[in-house]
Amino acid sequence: SYELTQPPSVSVSPGQTASITCSGDKLGDKYACWYQQKPGQSPVLVIYQNSERPSGIPERFSGSNSGNTATLTISGTQAMDEADYYCQAWDSSTHYVFGTGTKVTVL
Amino acid sequence: EVQLVQSGGEVKKSGESLRISCKGSGYSFSTYWISWVRQMPGKGLEWMGEIDPTDSYTNYSPSFQGHVTISVDKSISTAYLQWSSLKASDTAIYYCATSSPNSHWFDPWGQGTLVTVSS
Repeated sequence: SYELTQPPSVSVSPGQTASITCSGDKLGDKYACWYQQKPGQSPVLVIYQNSERPSGIPERFSGSNSGNTATLTISGTQAMDEADYYCQAWDSSTHYVFGTGTKVTVL
Repeated sequence: EVQLVQSGGEVKKSGESLRISCKGSGYSFSTYWISWVRQMPGKGLEWMGEIDPTDSYTNYSPSFQGHVTISVDKSISTAYLQWSSLKASDTAIYYCATSSPNSHWFDPWGQGTLVTVSS
């Protein structure tokens, strides 16, 4: 089965850049997307098709995907960005797969 | 605005059956597939399966195939997730979410349904 691996936690100072990685075999050959989940809330899509932002998502969220790694970057991180982040990909055999999740802490 | 509203939390005993629901509004219900996603306490997201409301075609994750049933009633724009015999390990929050046939991401999500199963 296909697996996506993320670091369990990332810490960042306010105003700095946070980078969250998502690793999977030949992930760059697939589309990756990212979700933000705050405590007690449903996940929210923040990046789709590797680097596209849904309407209403701040420009400080960006994404990339190449080789075996997709990356979510939060530039100028704010306290409100503290949350769990999940990557997700799709392929024709395993359908949808979520990453293991990363807790972003804004110190 | 596309919106998914899920049924309320449930408290059940092991061995009991359960069906939870997810009602779509603000769009043509057959336009988007609906998936179900499990989140066990303090854990990550797990895709369970999906259904095409057009013809009720389903895909299941191997991890959940045979343990749950996904169905839909187009006439009331509602999808369902069903168990015939719950286990304590089914305790989790269950989310429904939409995806379109040619895109493979979920947006939006329902508010979640907490299912608590006691042994």
